[in-house]
Amino acid sequence: EPEVTQTPSHQVTQMGQEVILRCVPISNHLYFYWYRQILGQKVEFLVSFYNNEISEKSEIFDDQFSVERPDGSNFTLKIRSTKLEDSAMYFCASSEGTGPAYEQYFGPGTRLTVT
Amino acid sequence: AQSVTQLGSHVSVSEGALVLLRCNYSSSVPPYLFWYVQYPNQGLQLLLKYTSAATLVKGINGFEAEFKKSETSFHLTKPSAHMSDAAEYFCAVSVEAAGNKLTFGGGTRVLVKP
Repeated sequence: EPEVTQTPSHQVTQMGQEVILRCVPISNHLYFYWYRQILGQKVEFLVSFYNNEISEKSEIFDDQFSVERPDGSNFTLKIRSTKLEDSAMYFCASSEGTGPAYEQYFGPGTRLTVT
Repeated sequence: AQSVTQLGSHVSVSEGALVLLRCNYSSSVPPYLFWYVQYPNQGLQLLLKYTSAATLVKGINGFEAEFKKSETSFHLTKPSAHMSDAAEYFCAVSVEAAGNKLTFGGGTRVLVKP
């Protein structure tokens, strides 16, 4: 069964460093998402992406964040200058279509630890 | 804006007993509601969803949920817990106007005792 994959599973970085989290969505999906979950808190929407553009972003997704689909398979989330509060589990998801009727398939997550 | 509240961050059930996970939502427009499950070291997997068809929704692994508009609830149940049901469960809401954005509850971790 097709699945969303994410690398690395765990990333440790120092405050102020740039990190890139990588995701490979399901191959025929067109819509891509990033969510994050700070330890002990809710899973929060960050951004959605379609046709090489951001469709929607949350207030969390400020100028320190960017997303890119550099080739036909990868979808990346870059944090330009990490802060301690960026420590969280980051989930990538993809869906075939837009709207609530389309299931979002989630990857296993990347745990980011900023020290 | 939409929101979801899950009552109980941890639930412990005996194997064979009823599993009941509570979810209440807030939305000013008709909602779409979802239950996801997360097993250790895995991604969130969709258990079931309500998309304005039948109010009683059946999902995978014997789970079902009932949409009750009057109570703004979407509680998840399973008649008989199995050891393999030990996981974290998330309720989520979306609306047409919000595109694909899912708004999640805080999650409920289920422990199944033999």
